[in-house]
Amino acid sequence: GQQVMQIPQYQHVQEGEDFTTYCNSSTTLSNIQWYKQRPGGHPVFLIQLVKSGEVKKQKRLTFQFGEAKKNSSLHITATQTTDVGTYFCAGDGNTGKLIFGQGTTLQVKP
Amino acid sequence: DGGITQSPKYLFRKEGQNVTLSCEQNLNHDAMYWYRQDPGQGLRLIYYSQIVNDFQKGDIAEGYSVSREKKESFPLTVTSAQKNPTAFYLCASSMRAGQTYEQYFGPGTRLTVT
Repeated sequence: GQQVMQIPQYQHVQEGEDFTTYCNSSTTLSNIQWYKQRPGGHPVFLIQLVKSGEVKKQKRLTFQFGEAKKNSSLHITATQTTDVGTYFCAGDGNTGKLIFGQGTTLQVKP
Repeated sequence: DGGITQSPKYLFRKEGQNVTLSCEQNLNHDAMYWYRQDPGQGLRLIYYSQIVNDFQKGDIAEGYSVSREKKESFPLTVTSAQKNPTAFYLCASSMRAGQTYEQYFGPGTRLTVT
């Protein structure tokens, strides 16, 4: 069945360093969503990408959707302690159901 | 104040007992979902419902049951047939199913079965 793989599983960075998480699907996606889950919390929607090659920015966060619509990335510039949490990508392969990646847990050392 | 609520936040049960987790939303969303979250495994879909009185199995439905008698409510029963029920359970809703809308998650219920 459809799989969405996310790497790395964990990332520890010094505050101010950049961070990137990558998401790869076994099949072409109609769109991809990104969520953030703070420690002890629940996932919160960040953004959705729909078009091939699409790039969207939210302040220090940059989201990309690959040309083949099978991969995506989230890049955070100059991390802050408020960026701590687990970032999930979730893809829809035209089934109407989201398939979530395993998540990347980001730790930021002040 | 619109949102999605789950209760209780923590739940403890003895092995062999069925337990029902509550999920309510007042967002007027058609679609509702139940996910299970285990460490390092992301979110796995248990059941989802696109409309009242209809629901479909997700990827890990064995040992679980649901009902959708009202638009606002989508309770999940963890039965004694579920081999590893201890987990964090998340309920979510979205405007509609069929297309991909953003999902709104409840605060979750952490179930411990001993």
